[in-house]
Amino acid sequence: AQSVTQPDIHITVSEGASLELRCNYSYGATPYLFWYVQSPGQGLQLLLKYFSGDTLVQGIKGFEAEFKRSQSSFNLRKPSVHWSDAAEYFCAVGARSNYQLIWGAGTKLIIKP
Amino acid sequence: EAGVVQSPRYKIIEKKQPVAFWCNPISGHNTLYWYLQNLGQGPELLIRYENEEAVDDSQLPKDRFSAERLKGVDSTLKIQPAELGDSAVYLCASSQQPGDTQYFGPGTRLTVL
Repeated sequence: AQSVTQPDIHITVSEGASLELRCNYSYGATPYLFWYVQSPGQGLQLLLKYFSGDTLVQGIKGFEAEFKRSQSSFNLRKPSVHWSDAAEYFCAVGARSNYQLIWGAGTKLIIKP
Repeated sequence: EAGVVQSPRYKIIEKKQPVAFWCNPISGHNTLYWYLQNLGQGPELLIRYENEEAVDDSQLPKDRFSAERLKGVDSTLKIQPAELGDSAVYLCASSQQPGDTQYFGPGTRLTVL
């Protein structure tokens, strides 16, 4: 069965500092991989996705993520965070066999001024 | 292009009362999803439609929850009767085809008193 782990419940980063949010998954084959962001009271917005091809994926708002098959990871990165990046970030893994999407519990990003 | 529309945004009811949520997906999207999101957790799939057909409702508590997607466009999710534990955010999402990127509405926050 698929599973997704986001090890960090909260992360605090200073504005302008770099960011890395971790996502590890368990799945028997190559999955679809997604990162979404959710601001308070808002729906989930897609940041980026990996379906196939280049394992380094560029997304919106300056985010990128790298699919590492050997580590079963899809970590999200940003070189310099802005106060507006404060939100909750969710990693999701999709099964190519049945299209089921399994979600991590989310990581809340707090930005220090 | 309009996004996924959900109404109402907020609903407060007393336990044992019925409640209904409405979703209008992005035009042309054949696949529609209803998710439940508890505080501090990722979304959990309740039901997935492909056109009018519910193709995955294994996680839908059928004793009190029901859903329909007449004409393969709008969808309604109903709870009758509501219980205290149903308090959560109910998210609707749509995609062009199964496995494609899912686009989310803002959600309906349900509070059961």
